[in-house]
Amino acid sequence: DQQVKQNSPSLSVQEGRISILNCDYTNSMFDYFLWYKKYPAEGPTFLISISSIKDKNEDGRFTVFLNKSAKHLSLHIVPSQPGDSAVYFCAASASGTYKYIFGTGTRLKVLA
Amino acid sequence: KAGVTQTPRYLIKTRGQQVTLSCSPISGHRSVSWYQQTPGQGLQFLFEYFSETQRNKGNFPGRFSGRQFSNSRSEMNVSTLELGDSALYLCASSLWGGTSSSTDTQYFGPGTRLTVL
Repeated sequence: DQQVKQNSPSLSVQEGRISILNCDYTNSMFDYFLWYKKYPAEGPTFLISISSIKDKNEDGRFTVFLNKSAKHLSLHIVPSQPGDSAVYFCAASASGTYKYIFGTGTRLKVLA
Repeated sequence: KAGVTQTPRYLIKTRGQQVTLSCSPISGHRSVSWYQQTPGQGLQFLFEYFSETQRNKGNFPGRFSGRQFSNSRSEMNVSTLELGDSALYLCASSLWGGTSSSTDTQYFGPGTRLTVL
């Protein structure tokens, strides 16, 4: 039972344009959401997070949007840079569970 | 500040053997979580430890076990290895393991790549 889904395994975007990565979840108890970026041969690195009491959180070129009614979140990267090419994982958690549930990842390729 | 370290980085075992992986968290972090990453499956939660106590466990068979020591270092053990156990095993540490706060982010190590032949 995949509670967190990233339905696009891969995405290609031109340098300078917007990258939009999507994530859907099914568990209404999730109240905290994160995005991680992973390069080959490295562990995931934290990018940005959002609490369920918000619908948007911004950090530099990265913005995460949360639509609770649709159980959907998205990560926007503007402008996209070649160094952003990596696998992006969304993750969700419910208070008191001490665990994150990860999606299967989306491979982003930013073309120069 | 040193990051999360995992040893060994690469490991090759044969079916039926057992393996122990080690994780040293960031200094001051008391929560350690383990994940299994396989192609197409993303990161699957194995277990989480805080102050030597397992607080949550994922949906894995009993062959997968772990422990945490008083210095917060953690080990995970897989017994009777199967071909399907081939994966990248990731360890992550955080201050308290609270998963609903931006002040308690999980930081990941580079992982141990386990290959079962």
